[in-house]
Amino acid sequence: DGGITQSPKYLFRKEGQNVTLSCEQNLNHDAMYWYRQDPGQGLRLIYYSQIVNDFQKGDIAEGYSVSREKKESFPLTVTSAQKNPTAFYLCASSIIGISSYNEQFFGPGTRLTVL
Amino acid sequence: AQKITQTQPGMFVQEKEAVTLDCTYDTSDPSYGLFWYKQPSSGEMIFLIYQGSYDQQNATEGRYSLNFQKARKSANLVISASQLGDSAMYFCAMRELGDDKIIFGKGTRLHILP
Repeated sequence: DGGITQSPKYLFRKEGQNVTLSCEQNLNHDAMYWYRQDPGQGLRLIYYSQIVNDFQKGDIAEGYSVSREKKESFPLTVTSAQKNPTAFYLCASSIIGISSYNEQFFGPGTRLTVL
Repeated sequence: AQKITQTQPGMFVQEKEAVTLDCTYDTSDPSYGLFWYKQPSSGEMIFLIYQGSYDQQNATEGRYSLNFQKARKSANLVISASQLGDSAMYFCAMRELGDDKIIFGKGTRLHILP
């Protein structure tokens, strides 16, 4: 089955540690995205990538880093510089095209708790 | 400026009733698409329905329909015959043509009462 996988579902880390969240897709999508969601809030874009070895900052990139070495993989590192990293993180992917109808497909999310 | 506005943070609706979730948007681009996603308590985002800015008819998908009023920049989601499983967070979103980013609203939490 085609889709997006994120692992792990729940992640606990001590304050001051970097942590990397995994996101893999087998949909052959060019674009991938990372969002952060806080309780009762909408989705805020952290980083996105339209092509391998290239990515752009979203609205809240500070304290996060990404890489895109393979088309199917877009890992997100939450660094110790992120002041309030406890949140729900969603990864998404989509095709790139001239149509506005390029829905984003989402993974199941990773809930990160920093102790 | 906020591009997607969902003014209802929470709604309670009796089972089997129809429900309308409000969404207004702001764009100067004549070409854009509007999306609705459902997020159950499990956290995954489920795509529900899409409306293109040039579509002449309102989009429908099963029990979901989109009440698209272009002049008012409104794209309300209508769920007919609501079910307990419809209890979830609902997000309205927009993509402008040529932009690979989707902008999301803050969401509306819908509670269906038995």
